[in-house]
Formats: sequence, C-alpha cells, structure tokens
Amino acid sequence: DAGVTQSPTHLIKTRGQQVTLRCSPKSGHDTVSWYQQALGQGPQFIFQYYEEEERQRGNFPDRFSGHQFPNYSSELNVNALLLGDSALYLCASSMDRGLHEQYFGPGTRLTVT
Amino acid sequence: DAKTTQPPSMDCAEGRAANLPCNHSTISGNEYVYWYRQIHSQGPQYIIHGLKNNETNEMASLIITEDRKSSTLILPHATLRDTAVYYCIVRVSPDQTGANNLFFGTGTRLTVIP
Repeated sequence: DAGVTQSPTHLIKTRGQQVTLRCSPKSGHDTVSWYQQALGQGPQFIFQYYEEEERQRGNFPDRFSGHQFPNYSSELNVNALLLGDSALYLCASSMDRGLHEQYFGPGTRLTVT
Repeated sequence: DAKTTQPPSMDCAEGRAANLPCNHSTISGNEYVYWYRQIHSQGPQYIIHGLKNNETNEMASLIITEDRKSSTLILPHATLRDTAVYYCIVRVSPDQTGANNLFFGTGTRLTVIP
C-alpha cells in the first residue's frame, strides 16, 4: 500500500501565477482533505472532498479551489498567487468523510516569489 | 479556532517516559481527544484518540481526566525518533456528520535527548 502520495514535492511560482497540486489517497479511502501549513504553524484546514463534491471549507478565499475525480484522487488549485501562499500543502485521506483517522501525505512545498 | 492549550516545548531523556499535557477545558460531551505528531518535513501522523476512558495502543497511552478538561499523552520509552511536534486536537464524535476536519494548534515540540 503506497499510502497517500502528493505531487510535486516542491514547486516555485511567481506572484500572480496559478498552481495545481495533486493528491492520491490511500487505497480504500474515499475522502480527501487539504491543509495549508505555514512555517512554524500547525496545519490549517482548507477544504474537504467526498463523492466528488466540496463538503466543508475552512476560512480560505475563493482563489483556492479543488476537484475530486471518480478514482478519489484530488487536485488543489490556487489562482492569483500571493507571497503569503508560500507554505507546505498537505493532503489527508480517510474513509467516510473523515469520521475516521486521517492519513497525511508528505506534502508539497510551494514557494511564491 | 484551536480548542486546546499545550506547552510550546518539552525535553525528554532517551529511554524515559515522555508525558505531554493538553488542556481542553471547553470540550463538549461529544468531542473526542485526538493526538497527532509531525516529524520534521513529514505529514502529521495519527497516534491515538479517546473519549473519556484511558486508551493504549502500540505507540502511546492516553490518559483523560475524569472531568475531561485535560489529558496526557504518554510515550512510555521515548527514542530519538520520537522527536517531533505533537498536536492535541478535539473534534466531534466519529458518529456525527458535520465539522469533522482537524483543527491544529501550534502543538508541543518534543525533543528527545540522548
């Protein structure tokens, strides 16, 4: 079992650009949640996808959007990047809308210059 | 918003028990206490969770006070690989729908010293 995988591992973008991050959940999991972790802070919840729909959303602007595919994998899109979007982006997968333990991937480190 | 309070850092000698405290004085009756840890440059890892009874698994023990306003995570024999940031989180019962995302605070940075 490969666990939760994320790609790419590192990414450098310029302010104003758009970025897409990808996540493959652990085998058997149907729910994907995305978190943003700024340096020195705990992860902050962005949103959660279940049955290809956004089910919950944290306090993040509409520049952050996502998608879940029929195979349960997910994408996180961020438009009009700001310097403050520089962070580690974590994907977590679980069963049953996250009612069970969440398993985290290694994250994608995004740097906006 | 985080509903827990943890000390920012702790040290523990290798081989000794590490006791990590957490205050959650506003915990509701249907909220569980979860512990995750994050080793440097990795994603958070689930450790253990409990409602009101003490729990033990292969990684750790969780002791919850009778009034449920605080808890302690115990790593019985700390090793250097246990050096990490430990997060205490309260969340609604796994039996309920709704807000089931995880609210992380800043956690406790545990350093295991040789």
